[in-house]
Amino acid sequence: DAGVIQSPRHEVTEMGQEVTLRCKPISGHDYLFWYRQTMMRGLELLIYFNNNVPIDDSGMPEDRFSAKMPNASFSTLKIQPSEPRDSAVYFCASNNRGTGELFFGEGSRLTVL
Amino acid sequence: ELKVEQNPLFLSMQEGKNYTIYCNYSTTSDRLYWYRQDPGKSLESLFVLLSNGAVKQEGRLMASLDTKARLSTLHITAAVHDLSATYFCAVENWGGGADGLTFGKGTHLIIQP
Repeated sequence: DAGVIQSPRHEVTEMGQEVTLRCKPISGHDYLFWYRQTMMRGLELLIYFNNNVPIDDSGMPEDRFSAKMPNASFSTLKIQPSEPRDSAVYFCASNNRGTGELFFGEGSRLTVL
Repeated sequence: ELKVEQNPLFLSMQEGKNYTIYCNYSTTSDRLYWYRQDPGKSLESLFVLLSNGAVKQEGRLMASLDTKARLSTLHITAAVHDLSATYFCAVENWGGGADGLTFGKGTHLIIQP
């Protein structure tokens, strides 16, 4: 079975530009999580969805960040405008019923110059 | 706020030696997970510990959970170079300002010949 699929794998952009990261969860999983990983702060939960509905976005750092899940097989994380401090690896993960092990995608490495 | 602390954060050891990584957490939880991450890669699930006293073993790795002490350990027996990676513990909790998995900072393990 295909795992969690993220795109792009790498993105380099300039400050002020809009960035859109994409995620396809494992088919049948009803929870989707977006995490950000940096050396300084480790892995942080940004937002999660249950059945396509955002449940908790308290980890989203600023209004520049937004996330959507228009259907069960697709989610986006958007940063507009991007800033250098947004540089990080963004992981998408999914599972069933929210509990149990999380299955992670390969991550999207974002560099904002 | 749920805190998950791992120690040590960095560990360099020789092949053939034994060592233990510790994971302490600050609130009641019956579910703890261990993940492995290779450089530039995603997180791979190693162990799922779902109750007090749970012990899981896979090859040279063994994980245990003591929910009363709020402590999990990951023990490495006769280390080999292939085990070099960063190891994360994650505690599952819902409500109280933390939903889903909260990760420790990770233990960066280097095993030298």
